[in-house]
Amino acid sequence: SQQGEEDPQALSIQEGENATMNCSYKTSINNLQWYRQNSGRGLVHLILIRSNEREKHSGRLRVTLDTSKKSSSLLITASRAADTASYFCATRLWGAQKLVFGQGTRLTINP
Amino acid sequence: DTAVSQTPKYLVTQMGNDKSIKCEQNLGHDTMYWYKQDSKKFLKIMFSYNNKELIINETVPNRFSPKSPDKAHLNLHINSLELGDSAVYFCASSDLREATGQTDTQYFGPGTRLTVL
Repeated sequence: SQQGEEDPQALSIQEGENATMNCSYKTSINNLQWYRQNSGRGLVHLILIRSNEREKHSGRLRVTLDTSKKSSSLLITASRAADTASYFCATRLWGAQKLVFGQGTRLTINP
Repeated sequence: DTAVSQTPKYLVTQMGNDKSIKCEQNLGHDTMYWYKQDSKKFLKIMFSYNNKELIINETVPNRFSPKSPDKAHLNLHINSLELGDSAVYFCASSDLREATGQTDTQYFGPGTRLTVL
């Protein structure tokens, strides 16, 4: 089974609204990362949160991490049409050499 | 300047053929990866090389063979292509020495869409 699973699988909101996506994982992690993928493009790193951190901000992005619940959320505030993309969480386990990606949340921002 | 580049961007071929995808990174990273993204967008790692040495080899048919001539290049050769190989293949790179640090960022190429007919 996958290490990271995003919820919801798809989200459609109006421009200007906030978008929240969640990621759950099964095993203790070193860090958790969020990536964005625009249609037909490669993934782009957005933000990393380490296991001893609870919240991080980057511009309009806010990421939280709850290690007791093994979950993370990505909040995009004041969404824009350009935020339309798929968002993936990826986890790095302690001592692991690889990232494990979830299946992504498809976010659509309607003008 | 393109950080991680892949060629070709699209590859359409018949079942049974052999094909290669090339990847190059100019970021000076020591580690490169191949991922497969299926039609449901699930991204799964296939291989990873660190300084030309294979460090990750997931459960992948041995028809897939990666080759790293130097640490800036990682190519993927696929023999006897099958319908199920149709997917988007992504190359990525990172600096593994920073994996436990604050960065631990993977940089992805634009992908190669492989269609097997």
